[in-house]
Amino acid sequence: AQRVTQPEKLLSVFKGAPVELKCNYSYSGSPELFWYVQYSRQRLQLLLRHISRESIKGFTADLNKGETSFHLKKPFAQEEDSAMYYCAPRTQGGSEKLVFGKGTKLTVNP
Amino acid sequence: DAMVIQNPRYQVTQFGKPVTLSCSQTLNHNVMYWYQQKSSQAPKLLFHYYDKDFNNEADTPDNFQSRRPNTSFCFLDIRSPGLGDAAMYLCATSRVTGSPVGDNEQFFGPGTRLTVL
Repeated sequence: AQRVTQPEKLLSVFKGAPVELKCNYSYSGSPELFWYVQYSRQRLQLLLRHISRESIKGFTADLNKGETSFHLKKPFAQEEDSAMYYCAPRTQGGSEKLVFGKGTKLTVNP
Repeated sequence: DAMVIQNPRYQVTQFGKPVTLSCSQTLNHNVMYWYQQKSSQAPKLLFHYYDKDFNNEADTPDNFQSRRPNTSFCFLDIRSPGLGDAAMYLCATSRVTGSPVGDNEQFFGPGTRLTVL
């Protein structure tokens, strides 16, 4: 079964500092991974997906198959980045389901 | 322009009293999901409908049921809520095309917070 690990429950950085939210997964075959974000008092929403290789709100995430990681990075954190972040691989076999990690709460201090 | 709507936002029920949570969508998506999220935990998938096909997760208690009368609406029924069922319940939708590598973005509702007294 797929597993996803977000080792940091809480992460606190200062504004302007780089930030990296870690995600490790166990998967066989070709994984599809997503990062979802939940800002305070807002609904859970997609931040980015690995297949599109996009940068959203300054965040990027590279799939490293060798390390089975999909860490989320931003070079200069902003206060508005404070939120709960969930790494979510798609379950195998082209399934329509996702498996959510336990999440990392990011706090960006002024 | 709400896309996934959940009613009510807050629901209080008594121990053992059946309760129904509602979800509707304006996106015409073919898949609808119900998640349970307890405090400081990840959303846990309870079940989902792929079109009219119901897909239950293996560890979802029998106490939880779902109905999808049409594309737009999906209901979560808790037959006999226990104190351990108090949680945030999230509804989500996605458009799944069947392509092995597809979009699968899920759109979430705001959630219904269930309190069991």
